[in-house]
Formats: sequence, structure tokens, C-alpha cells
Amino acid sequence: RKEVEQDPGPFNVPEGATVAFNCTYSNSASQSFFWYRQDCRKEPKLLMSVYSSGNEDGRFTAQLNRASQYISLLIRDSKLSDSATYLCVVAQYTGRRALTFGSGTRLQVQP
Amino acid sequence: GAVVSQHPSRVICKSGTSVKIECRSLDFQATTMFWYRQFPKKSLMLMATSNEGSKATYEQGVEKDKFLINHASLTLSTLTVTSAHPEDSSFYICSARESADTQYFGPGTRLTVL
Repeated sequence: RKEVEQDPGPFNVPEGATVAFNCTYSNSASQSFFWYRQDCRKEPKLLMSVYSSGNEDGRFTAQLNRASQYISLLIRDSKLSDSATYLCVVAQYTGRRALTFGSGTRLQVQP
Repeated sequence: GAVVSQHPSRVICKSGTSVKIECRSLDFQATTMFWYRQFPKKSLMLMATSNEGSKATYEQGVEKDKFLINHASLTLSTLTVTSAHPEDSSFYICSARESADTQYFGPGTRLTVL
């Protein structure tokens, strides 16, 4: 079983739509959670951290459910520029604190 | 935010040659840097953790004699792919850790081995 699992998509949605991505992680020792965005042939960029209390940044809302080991990302009012691959990322509090990436969910927002 | 650079951004080499990739943190000191590899349509996979002043820690399945890592200063880590083969062709990305939960990624190096 993969440490971080995501639906690869693609999710094809019209502009203005609301879209939700889900992610599950297997290591209950995971302590930090993030959503990254990766454009084609580019490096990943941090979109937002994810907290149990939920957090919102403009049109983006992230939620963590530790009991279910489940993370979500909601994008409202999708823009064409939101088209990218969204990576679910977890980190354990081990000595090296490397990030473990999901394989990503591809979003294509269409005009 | 903090900036991490990688050089070169793209390299094409013949099979059997060695390729060195540099990763620099430009405006902060990074005692720990990470090297990832990403094959097309796949996730980033951690290859090794580079620690300033000590030996790198390699992930299972990554050959330390093939992927040489040197972290000689707080702002520079290098990855050398020795005797590269076509199956080593990939997107190599480094990241530098600024704080406990903050990592910044370099722009990546696309390696093509002919």
C-alpha cells in the first residue's frame, strides 16, 4: 500500500466549478500535512498547510481528519490558472523530516 | 519566500558519463537538503537526505555509489550521477529545509541520457 494515496484524475471541470480532491495516508505517525501544486515540468510549490481545524486561503479550503487519516482540498470558483497537478504531502517527525508525496491529482479547468 | 537554485536546468549526456547537479539555497542556510527524482506522470520519490558535514542518508533501493551526494557547505549540495544510463533519465529536484516544516524546492534538473 502506498504511503500517500490520491485519485490521479484527471478532473475536467468548467470554469467557476467547485472541485474537491481527497487523499489518504497510511502512517499514523504523520505529523505535518500539505497540499502542493505542480505545473507541467516544474517543481512543486507549496499551496497550503493542512490543519485539523481546517484552513482556508481565498478559494482554497483544506481539511485534515486524523482519525480517518484523510486530507481534502476544496477549490471554489475554479479558474483556468488552477489547472495543474495537486500533490498531497505528509511528513513525519523523524530525524530527517523528509516529505512523502502522493502521486498527484490532475485538474484541468476548461473555458 | 526563500529561493533554491539548481544547475544545470537541463542536461543531455551520453551513456557512461557522469553528471553533477548543484543545489543552492540562496538566502538561507540549510543543514539538510533532500534529493528527489520524478519519472513522467509519477510522484516525487525521495532518493536521499543530504546533511551538511556528514554522509548522506539514502533511501532503500538507491545506490549510494551511483548517486554521490556531497553537502560541503550550508548552502550547497551536489548530486553526481555516475556512469549514467538511459534508465537514469528523469527529473531530479532538490529541496532545502529552512525550518522544521518548511522546505523550498529547486526548479529541477531534467536529465536525458542517450
